[in-house]
Amino acid sequence: AQSVSQHNHHVILSEAASLELGCNYSYGGTVNLFWYVQYPGQHLQLLLKYFSGDPLVKGIKGFEAEFIKSKFSFNLRKPSVQWSDTAEYFCAVTPRDTGGFKTIFGAGTRLFVKA
Amino acid sequence: NAGVTQTPKFQVLKTGQSMTLQCAQDMNHEYMSWYRQDPGMGLRLIHYSVGAGITDQGEVPNGYNVSRSTTEDFPLRLLSAAPSQTSVYFCASSYSPFSGNTIYFGEGSWLTVV
Repeated sequence: AQSVSQHNHHVILSEAASLELGCNYSYGGTVNLFWYVQYPGQHLQLLLKYFSGDPLVKGIKGFEAEFIKSKFSFNLRKPSVQWSDTAEYFCAVTPRDTGGFKTIFGAGTRLFVKA
Repeated sequence: NAGVTQTPKFQVLKTGQSMTLQCAQDMNHEYMSWYRQDPGMGLRLIHYSVGAGITDQGEVPNGYNVSRSTTEDFPLRLLSAAPSQTSVYFCASSYSPFSGNTIYFGEGSWLTVV
């Protein structure tokens, strides 16, 4: 069965520190890749996505992610975090050759940024 | 612009009771789904629908029923609630996920089964 692994369940950073959240998936076929963010008390919102083309994807609020097909990875990065980035981050994968109907989410990474 | 609307936001049930979580979207999305979110487990797909009259099971379908009589609505039914169904439930909709379309989520329904 397909799965998505997020390596860190909790991350604590100081403001201005750099961020990298790991995401690996287990599926050999073509996939769509997503990062969603859930701010405290809010619903999930799209941060960025990869469908095709340039494997380096830029999203909102200065976030970016790189798809490395050989490593089945889609790590999220931000060069300098802010207190307002405190949230839970979810990596998600949609296998396309099964019709693309099932999007699988990782367990999430809770990021806390100290002011 | 309402997006995805879920009701109720909070609900407490007794074991064995039944209830329906309502979900409606106004974006004419053909794809709708229900997820449950549990600590340390992320979001797990319960059921999904690719259009009116078409539903299928996700990862954790047991104990839940769905139907899709219209494009807009996708209710989730708990026939006999169990404490293991205590969770936060999210309804979601999109155009075809196959094409990399963004999934839009409702604000969540907090369900406690005692």
